[in-house]
Amino acid sequence: GAVVSQHPSWVICKSGTSVKIECRSLDFQATTMFWYRQFPKQSLMLMATSNEGSKATYEQGVEKDKFLINHASLTLSTLTVTSAHPEDSSFYICSAKDRLGQIYGYTFGSGTRLTVV
Amino acid sequence: AQSVTQLGSHVSVSEGALVLLRCNYSSSVPPYLFWYVQYPNQGLQLLLKYTTGATLVKGINGFEAEFKKSETSFHLTKPSAHMSDAAEYFCAVSLNNNNDMRFGAGTRLTVKP
Repeated sequence: GAVVSQHPSWVICKSGTSVKIECRSLDFQATTMFWYRQFPKQSLMLMATSNEGSKATYEQGVEKDKFLINHASLTLSTLTVTSAHPEDSSFYICSAKDRLGQIYGYTFGSGTRLTVV
Repeated sequence: AQSVTQLGSHVSVSEGALVLLRCNYSSSVPPYLFWYVQYPNQGLQLLLKYTTGATLVKGINGFEAEFKKSETSFHLTKPSAHMSDAAEYFCAVSLNNNNDMRFGAGTRLTVKP
């Protein structure tokens, strides 16, 4: 089945630094990637949608300059949290789908727990 | 826009008992509906999904869900709970294969010995 590899699984960084999270589709072409964040004991909230080769579409209230998304290839999308602050600490999860969607559906990465100190 | 509501943030059952997790949806068009399970500090694993066709959907680990259009529901059930079923469960809706997925608030399932 389709697999999405997400790295790192956890990261601790100092306030003010930037952190990059990667999601790779291992056996299919991820034409669309979705990035979610999840606060403790809460649901997943969609942050942005990115299509390969295009600029990401951000949900209302998500700062595009703070959460930089790059989807330059059909197998890799990255989320960079710039100038991270403690309130950015959260669980970030990516989800990928292929061009047809109905074959592989939505496949989720294993998530990245970000802690900003 | 589509949305889902999960009734009950926490459900507790005894091992061997019936599991029923409730999900109601709102959608302007026939929805695609999903149930996912999440274990601590892990990603989401798809249990089952409904797109078209048969309204009773069977998934992994003995779970099943029934799409009821008249009730706008997609409740998740399992006849006999196992200790390993203890996890967070999310219901999700999408308008089609090209749309993003919206999640419910989640239901934490606890299984008592």
